[in-house]
Amino acid sequence: EIVLTQSPGTLSLSPGERATLSCWASQSVSSSYLAWYQQKPGQAPRLLIYGASSRATGIPDRFSGSGSGTDFTLTISRLEPEDFAVYYCQQYSSSPYTFGQGTKLEIK
Amino acid sequence: QVQLVESGGGLVKPGGSLRLSCAASGFTFSGYYMSWIRQAPGKGLECVSYISSGGSSIYNADSVRGRFTISRDNANNSLYLQMNSLRAEDTAVYYCARGKKFFDYWGQGTLVTVSS
Repeated sequence: EIVLTQSPGTLSLSPGERATLSCWASQSVSSSYLAWYQQKPGQAPRLLIYGASSRATGIPDRFSGSGSGTDFTLTISRLEPEDFAVYYCQQYSSSPYTFGQGTKLEIK
Repeated sequence: QVQLVESGGGLVKPGGSLRLSCAASGFTFSGYYMSWIRQAPGKGLECVSYISSGGSSIYNADSVRGRFTISRDNANNSLYLQMNSLRAEDTAVYYCARGKKFFDYWGQGTLVTVSS
């Protein structure tokens, strides 16, 4: 099973700042089969990125994903108030498909 | 627009059973893999089961294998999860989601609480 470790656990930033969230895999994630989700309290997760760098439908271009192998990054270029949430990475390279434990992005 | 609406959650005693349903609309349900994903209170996400578009291919996580059964009714655009021999550790919000590998649409979730 591929274990995903997200860092940091909590990130405190201000609106307008740049956010960089990391996701490390215990084994190589082939073909960049990695996705990112955003979850707000009381809501279901929302797909942001798939294939490591492809934005899902309707996702603003301030969200971008990068990386390959075992090292992946989600970048939010300029934080908007609605971006403060928990973010999860997920690999779908190898069954069972697994999620990271999440990074909480909070307002500083 | 795509909508997924779960129902059937509730409080059940350990060893009991529950059947979750997910009503889909706004897309060609019969053309997609569908999945159940759960989230224990304050915890992360776990892929529980998925089923192929026609229902012939099924996956169950080790944690639920032999206890949970996923099924679908393409004529009625519905997905199901039959949960038997429930345990305290099955307590979670259960989400219905479109897809097998990554999940582009999710329902709002239904809470299952297993407690005596």
